[in-house]
Amino acid sequence: ETGVTQTPRHLVMGMTNKKSLKCEQHLGHNAMYWYKQSAKKPLELMFVYSLEERVENNSVPSRFSPECPNSSHLFLHLHTLQPEDSALYLCASSQAPLGATNEKLFFGSGTQLSVL
Amino acid sequence: DQQVKQNSPSLSVQEGRISILNCDYTNSMFDYFLWYKKYPAEGPTFLISISSIKDKNEDGRFTVFLNKSAKHLSLHIVPSQPGDSAVYFCAARDDKIIFGKGTRLHILP
Repeated sequence: ETGVTQTPRHLVMGMTNKKSLKCEQHLGHNAMYWYKQSAKKPLELMFVYSLEERVENNSVPSRFSPECPNSSHLFLHLHTLQPEDSALYLCASSQAPLGATNEKLFFGSGTQLSVL
Repeated sequence: DQQVKQNSPSLSVQEGRISILNCDYTNSMFDYFLWYKKYPAEGPTFLISISSIKDKNEDGRFTVFLNKSAKHLSLHIVPSQPGDSAVYFCAARDDKIIFGKGTRLHILP
């Protein structure tokens, strides 16, 4: 148990559906992240929130829409996705401010997303 | 272009022997390097890290070596145990943390 909880664990959706991924951290951390892991690719950073403010949008298509209502919760709203968006979506949090030397990420278990 | 490269997708090592996982990077501005371990159906978990001002960091069975001139780091696990079977991600930081593709380590009985 890493202190970062993601729901749902698995999600199958059609290209016209709207769904949301949820992440909650119980660690009192200041920063939260969305990463995407596709098969045979590195973990790709999607979004970063620091103190509930989005500080990074890594050229992610607008069909992915993040929301951070408070420092413990992070959502990823999905709409009109494509089959190539099928991947493992990982949420992470960190205590240290962005750029701090000892920054470590604590990951959730991920949501395995399949887009049909 | 990948800034953090793990060129071996998989590695098999006999139990009790040393496992050596390698990682190369291209960005000389990276100042902090991390290794993460991932089991199936779980998120990556932090294993060990090293600052760019050091060349070695040891934590129990795990040692990370950094060769800045070669832009290369390695993770040594000795002795290897069955529970070490997992995917290992190398990561490096400038203003954000960038991950490699991972190496799947199989510990053979």
